[in-house]
Amino acid sequence: KAGVTQTPRYLIKTRGQQVTLSCSPISGHRSVSWYQQTPGQGLQFLFEYFSETQRNKGNFPGRFSGRQFSNSRSEMNVSTLELGDSALYLCASSSRGVSPDTQYFGPGTRLTVL
Amino acid sequence: AQTVTQSQPEMSVQEAETVTLSCTYDTSENNYYLFWYKQPPSRQMILVIRQEAYKQQNATENRFSVNFQKAAKSFSLKISDSQLGDTAMYFCAFVIQGAQKLVFGQGTRLTINP
Repeated sequence: KAGVTQTPRYLIKTRGQQVTLSCSPISGHRSVSWYQQTPGQGLQFLFEYFSETQRNKGNFPGRFSGRQFSNSRSEMNVSTLELGDSALYLCASSSRGVSPDTQYFGPGTRLTVL
Repeated sequence: AQTVTQSQPEMSVQEAETVTLSCTYDTSENNYYLFWYKQPPSRQMILVIRQEAYKQQNATENRFSVNFQKAAKSFSLKISDSQLGDTAMYFCAFVIQGAQKLVFGQGTRLTINP
């Protein structure tokens, strides 16, 4: 089975712009979660989608949003980018609809905001 | 609050040695999974081992094993016969029932020296 894929792998944006990141889960996995990784804050949970519905949300401002499509692929969007949004954004998928469950990660998207 | 503490920011051992990484966590939930993930320089987050909290037997995966002490909320990782490829950042994490959200520790940077 192919693993979790994320595109693009690298992005450079300027302050004020918006960005969309994409994640394709492992085939058959219906839950997709997003995490932000920074040197200062570590790994923080953004949100989780299951069957096109956001089920859980972390403590991030409304500039961070996401969605999930019927094929379980997910996108996250960050609007009005700030310098502090520079981070590695990781997507993870899991097979069951019920937690606790094991999450498998993609390679991440490295976002740099200038 | 749900937290994970990894008290060893960095560790370094010689190839073929055994090393133990420490992790303590805090949750009032009874049903949860615990994980160790490794993140090599490539930044891909890789699952090392999983422990279901309801299982008393410690999980093992080849050279990797855990010491799970539920009452003490302790979850250490032992790597036997360490290899150069084990060099990575290691994260301890858990997910509770009803919330597909991984809570991560700050990580331990492990270096295996030739």
